[in-house]
Amino acid sequence: ETGVTQSPTHLIKTRGQQVTLRCSSQSGHNTVSWYQQALGQGPQFIFQYYREEENGRGNFPPRFSGLQFPNYSSELNVNALELDDSALYLCASSFRDTRSYGYTFGSGTRLTVV
Amino acid sequence: AQKITQTQPGMFVQEKEAVTLDCTYDTSDPSYGLFWYKQPSSGEMIFLIYQGSYDQQNATEGRYSLNFQKARKSANLVISASQLGDSAMYFCAMRVTNQGGKLIFGQGTELSVKP
Repeated sequence: ETGVTQSPTHLIKTRGQQVTLRCSSQSGHNTVSWYQQALGQGPQFIFQYYREEENGRGNFPPRFSGLQFPNYSSELNVNALELDDSALYLCASSFRDTRSYGYTFGSGTRLTVV
Repeated sequence: AQKITQTQPGMFVQEKEAVTLDCTYDTSDPSYGLFWYKQPSSGEMIFLIYQGSYDQQNATEGRYSLNFQKARKSANLVISASQLGDSAMYFCAMRVTNQGGKLIFGQGTELSVKP
């Protein structure tokens, strides 16, 4: 079974630009969550997608948006980048089940905004 | 409000010794799950151990065990026989069942294993 792959691994963008990060889902999983991890902090929940719809959102502005595709892979889009958006962005796939605890994380995308 | 607190920013342990990483949590929901993850410098979150709020016994996974004290709302991770490869960031996280798949993470503890 394949794990979760995130691309790109590193990215440098200029303030005000837009960025798209990508995440593949582990085989058998149908839910994808995105997290932002600032340097020296724990990950913060951005949002979750299930059956191609947003299914829960953290305290992030609307310029953070996402998509989930029929193959359960996902994209995170961030518009109007700010310096504080510099962080490691982690994607996690899981199988939607109230008793399930099988989250598989990718290695993340390190975004630097200059 | 749900919250995870890890009060140890950094810990040192001698190789082959045991170490306990502290985690306290706050939730008013009766159904929740507690996780520990290891994050090496590569960035990936590696699952270590899980404890459900209704589980009667403390979880164990190889060298990892979770000391779950429900009344105290604590879920400490015990690593036995530390190895050099255990040096990493460790995060405690909580999932509240009626809030879907959202994980709430603590600030993390950086563990350094000395030879």
